[in-house]
Amino acid sequence: GAVVSQHPSWVICKSGTSVKIECRSLDFQATTMFWYRQFPKQSLMLMATSNEGSKATYEQGVEKDKFLINHASLTLSTLTVTSAHPEDSSFYICSATHRGHEQYFGPGTRLTVT
Amino acid sequence: AQSVSQHNHHVILSEAASLELGCNYSYGGTVNLFWYVQYPGQHLQLLLKYFSGDPLVKGIKGFEAEFIKSKFSFNLRKPSVQWSDTAEYFCAVNRMDSSYKLIFGSGTRLLVRP
Repeated sequence: GAVVSQHPSWVICKSGTSVKIECRSLDFQATTMFWYRQFPKQSLMLMATSNEGSKATYEQGVEKDKFLINHASLTLSTLTVTSAHPEDSSFYICSATHRGHEQYFGPGTRLTVT
Repeated sequence: AQSVSQHNHHVILSEAASLELGCNYSYGGTVNLFWYVQYPGQHLQLLLKYFSGDPLVKGIKGFEAEFIKSKFSFNLRKPSVQWSDTAEYFCAVNRMDSSYKLIFGSGTRLLVRP
């Protein structure tokens, strides 16, 4: 149980375009989902916290107009990187929790912006 | 600001050697503590967690960790490592009053030589 999936697993896009990443909890209802960013050989940096049906809470320094997060249902959250630039290239990871302190992580999405 | 410190960035061991990875956090309130592992090319997996009770926590694959409140530490140990333990290990802390947000340490990359 407690499986979280992400789609796509990797994506290449051109500079200036937008890309959407989906995060799904497959066998539980996720009241809260989190989006992280991981640079090569570095730790996970929390970008935002998303509660179902409400606006995401962004961490300091994360541009909310650039990284649009939608958590429309208890099993799906999406992260849209708008007007992507090469510096947005990274590994994006989501996690989900159901009213608890244990988070279940997705496999990640590798974004490359050319 | 609260932080999580992992002092060992790279550790190289031979099989059957004992392992101890340090983790310290800087927050005076009540916390939940986690160790995650990320095998090459795979997503984060929970090794073990501490919420309350016995400060010596046993996890999967023979790992254990000890919470020492007075030292703000949660070190990970394994008596005898295997080649398959080669991975990156992340310590994470969740404040009880922080809406489940996890703060990650910088990670420790472990290489076990056969």
